[in-house]
Amino acid sequence: EVQLVESGGGLVQPGGSLRLSCAASGFSFSVYEMGWVRQAPGKGLEWISYIGHDGVVTFYADSVRGRFTVSRDNVKDVMSLQMNSLRAEDTAVYYCVRDLHGGATPFEYWGQGTLVTVSS
Amino acid sequence: IQMTQSPASLSASVGDTITITCRASQDIERYLAWYQQKPGKVPKLLIYSASTLYAGVPSRFSGSGSATEFTLTIAGLQPEDFATYYCQRYSSAPRTFGPGTKVDIK
Repeated sequence: EVQLVESGGGLVQPGGSLRLSCAASGFSFSVYEMGWVRQAPGKGLEWISYIGHDGVVTFYADSVRGRFTVSRDNVKDVMSLQMNSLRAEDTAVYYCVRDLHGGATPFEYWGQGTLVTVSS
Repeated sequence: IQMTQSPASLSASVGDTITITCRASQDIERYLAWYQQKPGKVPKLLIYSASTLYAGVPSRFSGSGSATEFTLTIAGLQPEDFATYYCQRYSSAPRTFGPGTKVDIK
């Protein structure tokens, strides 16, 4: 069974940092492209990051580029999102997502999400 | 590339057939997916490649379109279909979502 389990969310002050992790299991992690999607309270879905299967290629939404960094460890089957210079508007549930299969494909699996609250 | 959806919300009854439209600001070929999200739940993939039903999704859901205009149709709404629906382009980054369409009970 495919599982994606996020951790690392919490309350952080504006300007602070937080590191999210996504532990994957039930599939060959190193084969799949992964990413992060967030959803602010009461709002829609926002794609924020992509990482290729080998971690070489990454992409970011304009809203987080330069502040967030996605990475992965294909030995430990973990993807991470380092979030710096956090702002109030970064408050959201952050979902770890896995592509349907290789290439340009939608998100087949989603984690349960971890809540990040940026507030003083 | 911007993604828009219409309507933003709609009210319908069980058994109704509804259609949601998603438009892309540029040609995205058929790299379009639809997701369903219920309150407090994780989004679920319904349709990809504009019209391919994801495994296990009931056949009352269907998708069509290409290039810049796409539709999601639910034929014979069931109680469990009341939810918010999002389209998403996924051919390349940014994999933008539409703003969502909330379907509630009339």
